[in-house]
Amino acid sequence: DGGITQSPKYLFRKEGQNVTLSCEQNLNHDAMYWYRQDPGQGLRLIYYSQIVNDFQKGDIAEGYSVSREKKESFPLTVTSAQKNPTAFYLCASSKGRDQPQHFGDGTRLSIL
Amino acid sequence: KQEVTQIPAALSVPEGENLVLNCSFTDSAIYNLQWFRQDPGKGLTSLLLIQSSQREQTSGRLNASLDKSSGRSTLYIAASQPGDSATYLCAVADTNAGKSTFGDGTTLTVKP
Repeated sequence: DGGITQSPKYLFRKEGQNVTLSCEQNLNHDAMYWYRQDPGQGLRLIYYSQIVNDFQKGDIAEGYSVSREKKESFPLTVTSAQKNPTAFYLCASSKGRDQPQHFGDGTRLSIL
Repeated sequence: KQEVTQIPAALSVPEGENLVLNCSFTDSAIYNLQWFRQDPGKGLTSLLLIQSSQREQTSGRLNASLDKSSGRSTLYIAASQPGDSATYLCAVADTNAGKSTFGDGTTLTVKP
């Protein structure tokens, strides 16, 4: 079945540590996105990529980094510079920016 | 900057009732508007997508309308069921910014 796989489901970060969240899709979509969701709130865009080897900052990119070396993969690194990383992180993909977005099941990140 | 507002933030109805969820946006330069459903702790499931040239879309008991000139969309749910209980989010894809902006969602509870 085609879809988006995020891993791990739960992740814990220690102070000063960088952690990487995985997002893989087999939908042959060109565009991929990373969102952050805090309790009781909507989604805020962290980074997005319309094609391989290219990505743009979203509304809250500070303290995060991404890469897009393969069409299927768009990993997100939460760096130690992100002082409040506790949140639910959602990855999405679409054929293009005017096409429907499809979401993974999310990764919940907490601080130890 | 695009702003998306969803009212009400929460709604509780008895089973069988018809209901309307509202979404408003400030910038009418959009590609499309998408409605999603989110169950607790889960990712987003796409319900309906309305392109900017369309007025409405229907899927089963769901009907979404779009009025770009007034910056409004509604999601109509007919004959609500307890299984419809979830948070419903709308997202607007901006032509200017090339990305989507989400509302904070409406949490619906359908009581048996």
